[in-house]
Amino acid sequence: GAVVSQHPSRVICKSGTSVKIECRSLDFQATTMFWYRQFPKQSLMLMATSNEGSKATYEQGVEKDKFLINHASLTLSTLTVTSAHPEDSSFYICSAIISGTVYGYTFGSGTRLTVV
Amino acid sequence: AQSVTQLDSQVPVFEEAPVELRCNYSSSVSVYLFWYVQYPNQGLQLLLKYLSGSTLVKGINGFEAEFNKSQTSFHLRKPSVHISDTAEYFCAACMDMGRRALTFGSGTRLQVQP
Repeated sequence: GAVVSQHPSRVICKSGTSVKIECRSLDFQATTMFWYRQFPKQSLMLMATSNEGSKATYEQGVEKDKFLINHASLTLSTLTVTSAHPEDSSFYICSAIISGTVYGYTFGSGTRLTVV
Repeated sequence: AQSVTQLDSQVPVFEEAPVELRCNYSSSVSVYLFWYVQYPNQGLQLLLKYLSGSTLVKGINGFEAEFNKSQTSFHLRKPSVHISDTAEYFCAACMDMGRRALTFGSGTRLQVQP
């Protein structure tokens, strides 16, 4: 089946540093990827939608300069949390629409970010 | 506003008992509906989805859901649960056919007890 590989699964970083999270589609081309953030015991909140080769579309309230999204190829999208602070600690999940489907979504396994 | 509501944050149930997890949506446009399961520190796994056709949808692991347009609901059911069904369940809807982003409910924690 269509798989999205998300790395790292866990990362601990110091406050003020930047962290990059990668999502790769392993056996399909992901023209559209979504980035979600999930707080403990809460739902997934859409942060942004990225389309290959174009700028990401951010949801209201999400800081573009803080959460940099790059979707430079059909198989790779990255989320960089810049100048991380403890309040950025969360579970981040990427999702892609499987090529050849209209509403076939696949999800990465998530990244647990802890900022200390 | 378009939204997805899961009325129960937690549902405790005994093993082999039936269970229903409730989901309601609010949308002024056509909607496609999904149920996902999430195990701790993992991504989401699709249980089932409704796009069109029969309103009763059968999914994996013995789960099924029924789309009820008049009640704007998409409740998930299983006739007999197992310990391994203990997880977080999310109802989601696609109400933006252009962007195709999913809107998620707040989740329901299903706790199956022996």
